[in-house]
Amino acid sequence: ETGVTQSPTHLIKTRGQQVTLRCSSQSGHNTVSWYQQALGQGPQFIFQYYREEENGRGNFPPRFSGLQFPNYSSELNVNALELDDSALYLCASSLVVQGNTEAFFGQGTRLTVV
Amino acid sequence: AQSVTQLDSQVPVFEEAPVELRCNYSSSVSVYLFWYVQYPNQGLQLLLKYLSGSTLVKGINGFEAEFNKSQTSFHLRKPSVHISDTAEYFCAVIHNNDMRFGAGTRLTVKP
Repeated sequence: ETGVTQSPTHLIKTRGQQVTLRCSSQSGHNTVSWYQQALGQGPQFIFQYYREEENGRGNFPPRFSGLQFPNYSSELNVNALELDDSALYLCASSLVVQGNTEAFFGQGTRLTVV
Repeated sequence: AQSVTQLDSQVPVFEEAPVELRCNYSSSVSVYLFWYVQYPNQGLQLLLKYLSGSTLVKGINGFEAEFNKSQTSFHLRKPSVHISDTAEYFCAVIHNNDMRFGAGTRLTVKP
């Protein structure tokens, strides 16, 4: 039990639609990162938010966007869904004080685009 | 930027046998290293981490890993595996909060 919760657990969307995934960070954590894990692959970094500001981004197009709220919960939004967006989306929270730290992962949201 | 290579995509092994899952990393700076386990349809669970100090790191479920700076490796080992260890294992490296994962190693423990 990591204290990081994601919703929904599963989701089916149609190509071209928009989707919002949600993450509730572990209490006291100020940083949240989102990852996309396609079937049979390792997680790929999408972006990270630190104190409500984007703090790094992977190689994903602008139709992937995010928000972090004052209570450090977070959303991942994906516009104009494509079939290749089908994946497990993982949220990880951490407390960044200085240097590197451990990330705690949620159970993920399984997105299927049809 | 740092990167991680997991040398084996699949490792089949019999129950109670030892196992080693190999991980090599590349980075021009000091990094922290992690091993995560993922069971079907679940998120990632931390097995162990190397931050500093002793190069032999012990984790949960009887796993351990050894950090070898000269060989840029962080191999995961367990002396005797159980059926319940069947899962996907990911090696990860982090620097300045940028975490990169390997492609994963599928460990299958057979009776």
